[in-house]
Amino acid sequence: QKEVEQDPGPLSVPEGAIVSLNCTYSNSAFQYFMWYRQYSRKGPELLMYTYSSGNKEDGRFTAQVDKSSKYISLFIRDSQPSDSATYLCAMENTDKLIFGTGTRLQVFP
Amino acid sequence: GAGVSQSPSNKVTEKGKDVELRCDPISGHTALYWYRQSLGQGLEFLIYFQGNSAPDKSGLPSDRFSAERTGGSVSTLTIQRTQQEDSAVYLCASRGTAGPAYEQYFGPGTRLTVT
Repeated sequence: QKEVEQDPGPLSVPEGAIVSLNCTYSNSAFQYFMWYRQYSRKGPELLMYTYSSGNKEDGRFTAQVDKSSKYISLFIRDSQPSDSATYLCAMENTDKLIFGTGTRLQVFP
Repeated sequence: GAGVSQSPSNKVTEKGKDVELRCDPISGHTALYWYRQSLGQGLEFLIYFQGNSAPDKSGLPSDRFSAERTGGSVSTLTIQRTQQEDSAVYLCASRGTAGPAYEQYFGPGTRLTVT
């Protein structure tokens, strides 16, 4: 079993939809939880990070962490075609990042 | 300012040949990471350099893989006797000394194809 599990998708939604992306993990020692966005043929870029449990909002994006369930989510409101990318969750483990497989999202006009 | 750069952007090699992949981190960044991204596998950690400390090589999949970082700046990832399963995108990332682990800046990657 991988330390971090993520549904690879692809996920296809119409413009304006609310998107929910999720990851589960097995290591209860993880404290930092991240979401990265990766456009085609580019490196990942940090979208949001959360420390411990709770919610964090940044514009149209909301990250949630439920440590009791070992479950994290990223919500995208009013999705746009420019949000089409692969979204990777990641967790920190002693200065290194453990990534999920990434979920490919396609937002069509 | 300049971001992380990697070269070449694409590399096609024959099975059994050696390849070298180069990473130029952001100037002043002391931490440097290599990852491998295969289809359906996400980013897999390979090796981590931090300043003058001994590198963390715990992610290297076999002794055919090695990396070095000269002068605390440029890094080279070497794969000897390449195999078809080595085909992947190899990504490099760097971060500053005081930055948390998640503040890594990624390069565009080198797409390696082993035929």
